[in-house]
Amino acid sequence: AQKITQTQPGMFVQEKEAVTLDCTYDTSDPSYGLFWYKQPSSGEMIFLIYQGSYDQQNATEGRYSLNFQKARKSANLVISASQLGDSAMYFCAMRGFGTGGFKTIFGAGTRLFVKA
Amino acid sequence: KAGVTQTPRYLIKTRGQQVTLSCSPISGHRSVSWYQQTPGQGLQFLFEYFSETQRNKGNFPGRFSGRQFSNSRSEMNVSTLELGDSALYLCASSPSGRTDDNEQFFGPGTRLTVL
Repeated sequence: AQKITQTQPGMFVQEKEAVTLDCTYDTSDPSYGLFWYKQPSSGEMIFLIYQGSYDQQNATEGRYSLNFQKARKSANLVISASQLGDSAMYFCAMRGFGTGGFKTIFGAGTRLFVKA
Repeated sequence: KAGVTQTPRYLIKTRGQQVTLSCSPISGHRSVSWYQQTPGQGLQFLFEYFSETQRNKGNFPGRFSGRQFSNSRSEMNVSTLELGDSALYLCASSPSGRTDDNEQFFGPGTRLTVL
């Protein structure tokens, strides 16, 4: 069965510091994609970063980087130089080929609070 | 490139009614997925459409249905609404819906309240 686990319900970080949000996954698929999304209080889901299971290098997008450790099945999001606007809910997601076909599953999310 | 659009943004219905939500994917994207988000259950997969065919379905009752048109626009329908159907309904589009898709973008969602 496919599963995404985010063990940190809430995290605090000081403005301008870096923060790591944890994500572990479980799948038997040889090919899968990993995503991180940000959801502010407005409710929209904002795509942050993608990592393919066969990608050799860790993905980076501006201040976001994904620390992909395939053997450990972890895909942690690192946000550098946190800003007040980074306060939001963050979801880790995985797309795989499960029973019935391709689908994306989500973790429970981590709420990030950035302190001034 | 225009983003994913969903209409309406907000909806209030009463128990027993039915509702239809609409999603227009990003131009060129052929896969549309629907999700239900509630505080208690989180984000749950409803179904995914590709080229007008439902490719995958989550564990929701038959009251939840959907379809996709030839222009990739998708609709989902919920019949005989229950209080527990109150949720944010999100739709996401991607080029093919396969695991190597590096794009999957969400619309702003439709917030449904059932009274």
